[in-house]
Amino acid sequence: AQSVTQPDIHITVSEGASLELRCNYSYGATPYLFWYVQSPGQGLQLLLKYFSGDTLVQGIKGFEAEFKRSQSSFNLRKPSVHWSDAAEYFCAVRSNSGYALNFGKGTSLLVTP
Amino acid sequence: ETGVTQTPRHLVMGMTNKKSLKCEQHLGHNAMYWYKQSAKKPLELMFVYSLEERVENNSVPSRFSPECPNSSHLFLHLHTLQPEDSALYLCASSQGGWGDTQYFGPGTRLTVL
Repeated sequence: AQSVTQPDIHITVSEGASLELRCNYSYGATPYLFWYVQSPGQGLQLLLKYFSGDTLVQGIKGFEAEFKRSQSSFNLRKPSVHWSDAAEYFCAVRSNSGYALNFGKGTSLLVTP
Repeated sequence: ETGVTQTPRHLVMGMTNKKSLKCEQHLGHNAMYWYKQSAKKPLELMFVYSLEERVENNSVPSRFSPECPNSSHLFLHLHTLQPEDSALYLCASSQGGWGDTQYFGPGTRLTVL
């Protein structure tokens, strides 16, 4: 079954520093991959998605992610983090049924001054 | 109202109570979903409805009963819940099924005493 692993439970970065959140997927064919963000007390907001084509995907809020088939990875990056980026980040892959998303356990981002 | 709305935002209930969670999407989508988000666990898909027909049910206990009267509304009826059912319940919608972006509501924080 398709699954994703987010190896880092917590990450702390300084404001203005660059960020990379890791996501590894398990899927036989080309996966449909997503990154969502969840602020405290809120639902999930889509940052970006990858279905096919250009392996570098641009998203909202200055985020980007790169699909690397050879590494089974879809890491999320941002060149300069803002304090408002502190949140929980989830990587997800489309399930076999096509309807559901299989989510990772999430990475909690803390931004320090 | 825009996007996906959920009511109530917070709910406290006893194990013998009956309550319902409501979700409404204002996006003209055809598919709706219920997810459960528990602490330290990945989001778990509970139910999927496509064009008001249930297309996926992930072995959810019968004390959770979904209802989709039309493509804009989704309910989750709760009865005789257990304390371990306390969680954030998220509703989502998408245009179709396969790989379509899911848009999430803010969730209902449920506490079962």
